[in-house]
Amino acid sequence: DARVTQTPRDKVTEMGQEVTMRCQPILGHNTVFWYRQTMMQGLELLAYFRNRAPLDDSGMPKDRFSAEMPDATLATLKIQPSEPRDSAVYFCASGLVTLGLAGNNEQFFGPGTRLTVL
Amino acid sequence: KQEVTQIPAALSVPEGENLVLNCSFTDSAIYNLQWFRQDPGKGLTSLLLIQSSQREQTSGRLNASLDKSSGRSTLYIAASQPGDSATYLCAFSTQGGSEKLVFGKGTKLTVNP
Repeated sequence: DARVTQTPRDKVTEMGQEVTMRCQPILGHNTVFWYRQTMMQGLELLAYFRNRAPLDDSGMPKDRFSAEMPDATLATLKIQPSEPRDSAVYFCASGLVTLGLAGNNEQFFGPGTRLTVL
Repeated sequence: KQEVTQIPAALSVPEGENLVLNCSFTDSAIYNLQWFRQDPGKGLTSLLLIQSSQREQTSGRLNASLDKSSGRSTLYIAASQPGDSATYLCAFSTQGGSEKLVFGKGTKLTVNP
C-alpha cells in the first residue's frame, strides 16, 4: 500500500530552535509538494520539486525556511530559527504529474507534522 | 489572486440524507479540480479528480461536477452515513500553473446517527 510518510508526526519546540521535517514520497512519483495548514489561512503551498529540482518556493518565508530534496526518496523542510507563528500542520504530498491537455496532477498527501513553537 | 470559496463552512445532517457541498473559484482558466476529504488530525485523502475536459466524476456514493463557465463545482453525497463525517476540501489548478493546487478552507460535515 503505497503512501507518503512524514516524520515526526508531532514536534514541540521553543522559539529560536531549528526544526527539520522529513517526507518520503511515493516511489515513482516525480513531484513533491510542501504545504502548511492553519485555521486562519487554510492550506497554503510553500514549495514544490519536480524530479528533485525546486520549481517554486514563492510561498515560503525565505529568511527562515528552506526546502531540499537530497534524493528521490527524501524531501526535507527546515525552519531556522523557528517562531511561534510557524505553529501549524505541515503536509507533504507527492504525485506523478504529467502536463498537457490529458495531463494528471493528482496529489497524494502524507499524515502531516504538527508543529508547535512555544 | 486566485480564490476558492466553499459554502457552507459547516453542515450537520441526519444519517441517510442526500447532500451537496459547494465550491466556487475565481479563475475560469481551470486545468482540473480535485475534491479531498480530511479526517481530524489526519492528512488529505483524494476523492475525485475532474479533468478540464470533463464535467463530472463518480465514485460510489460520491458524484462531483464541474461547471467552468460559472466557476463552480459541487460534491454530491448520496445516502450519507456517520462515517462520512469529515472536512471536505476542493482545490483547483489553472492552465498556467497546472501543478499547483489552490485550496478552499473546506466544509466540515457531521452526519448524525
